Amino acid sequence: SAVISQKPSRDICQRGTSLTIQCQVDSQVTMMFWYRQQPGQSLTLIATANQGSEATYESGFVIDKFPISRPNLTFSTLTVSNMSPEDSSIYLCSVAAGTGAYEQYFGPGTRLTVT
Amino acid sequence: AQSVSQHNHHVILSEAASLELGCNYSYGGTVNLFWYVQYPGQHLQLLLKYFSGDPLVKGIKGFEAEFIKSKFSFNLRKPSVQWSDTAEYFCAASNDYKLSFGAGTTVTVRA
Repeated sequence: SAVISQKPSRDICQRGTSLTIQCQVDSQVTMMFWYRQQPGQSLTLIATANQGSEATYESGFVIDKFPISRPNLTFSTLTVSNMSPEDSSIYLCSVAAGTGAYEQYFGPGTRLTVT
Repeated sequence: AQSVSQHNHHVILSEAASLELGCNYSYGGTVNLFWYVQYPGQHLQLLLKYFSGDPLVKGIKGFEAEFIKSKFSFNLRKPSVQWSDTAEYFCAASNDYKLSFGAGTTVTVRA
């Protein structure tokens, strides 16, 4: 398995501002993922981030709103831009590891509240 | 897109009771199946996984799950729960690297 840390663990932000969330892994991994977990709901994949290529976004998520960087094999950032209260969620990063790299291991999440 | 459905939103049990959580997935072909658990205040942890082979898989903390291909199901079981099993349980499926999650089941175990 992999050990994943995220910063910040939580934040309260004003409407219209942006927040960058960092994800750090203790080993080199090819694939990293960003998820959103809205209050009382399940996890929804935002995008897949591979080092050396542009992130691939899922339907309903766009790069202008959620720009992602993946500068190396152990680090990624997700920015939530021009925030509104609807962006209040837990944002999680995960990495593909384990058997055939099909298993995913998750970070502790970043709890974002937008006021 | 693939979908995963979990039958129960909230399950309340007494200690030593048996637990079974239902999970169905929507797609055919090769599928990888997972159960994740999120204990209060903790991050999501992998409980068990199925890729191929024996359809009865055993995970951590005494949990097991059975893959029934004909029913597109991957139900989670534990013969005797403990108070510490109080958590949110998520079923997930993939046929590539992207996971689709069920809505989750909150399990409350009363002492």
